[in-house]
Amino acid sequence: ETGVTQTPRHLVMGMTNKKSLKCEQHLGHNAMYWYKQSAKKPLELMFVYSLEERVENNSVPSRFSPECPNSSHLFLHLHTLQPEDSALYLCASSQAFARDYNSPLHFGNGTRLTVT
Amino acid sequence: SQQGEEDPQALSIQEGENATMNCSYKTSINNLQWYRQNSGRGLVHLILIRSNEREKHSGRLRVTLDTSKKSSSLLITASRAADTASYFCATDSSGTYKYIFGTGTRLKVLA
Repeated sequence: ETGVTQTPRHLVMGMTNKKSLKCEQHLGHNAMYWYKQSAKKPLELMFVYSLEERVENNSVPSRFSPECPNSSHLFLHLHTLQPEDSALYLCASSQAFARDYNSPLHFGNGTRLTVT
Repeated sequence: SQQGEEDPQALSIQEGENATMNCSYKTSINNLQWYRQNSGRGLVHLILIRSNEREKHSGRLRVTLDTSKKSSSLLITASRAADTASYFCATDSSGTYKYIFGTGTRLKVLA
C-alpha cells in the first residue's frame, strides 16, 4: 500500500455522465494534489489543496470540479467530459512545511479514465 | 513551458550495466526530485536533492545537480530487471506548491 488510495482504479464513462474520483491519504499530510497523465505528455498539475484550501488551479476546464472536505480526502467530480479527457488521473499528498518547502509527493496508483 | 525535460526518452540496457538519465530545467529551484513509475502504477519518490547540494547517493542511485547548467543526472548502478520503469524528474517553483514533471525516461533492463 502506498498510503494514498484512489478509487475506482478504472472508470469508463459517456460524455453525458457525471462521476467522481476519490482519493484518501493515511499519511497525515496537509496538502493534496490532482495530476493528469496522458500518453507521451508530461504530468499535468490540475489542482492543489493545502489545509483544505485550494491554492492552485492550473487553468483546468470547469467540467473538472475538485472538492477537499478534510485533509485526508480529495475528490474530483467529472461531468460532460470529452474523449480527450481520457487519461490516468493521479492523486498525491505531501507535507507542506512552508510555502517554499514541501516534502516529496506520495502518489496513489491512479484512476484510469476512459471517456466514450 | 514545462520545467523538467528528461533525456533520453528511452533507454535499453543489459542487466548489470549502469543507466544514466538526464534532466534539464528552466527556472531557479528549491529542490529537484527523481521519481520512478512502473507501468499502470503511481509514481514513487526515489531521491531529493536541494539546490545547495551537488551530489547525493541512495543505495544504487547517484544524483548530481548542476544549478549553473540547470541540469541533473540520475545514475543507477548495476541495474536489475526490476529497475525497468519510467523515471521522472520534478522541480518545484519557488514560492508555489507546484511540482513540475517532465515526460520521463523509459528504462528497459534486459535480463
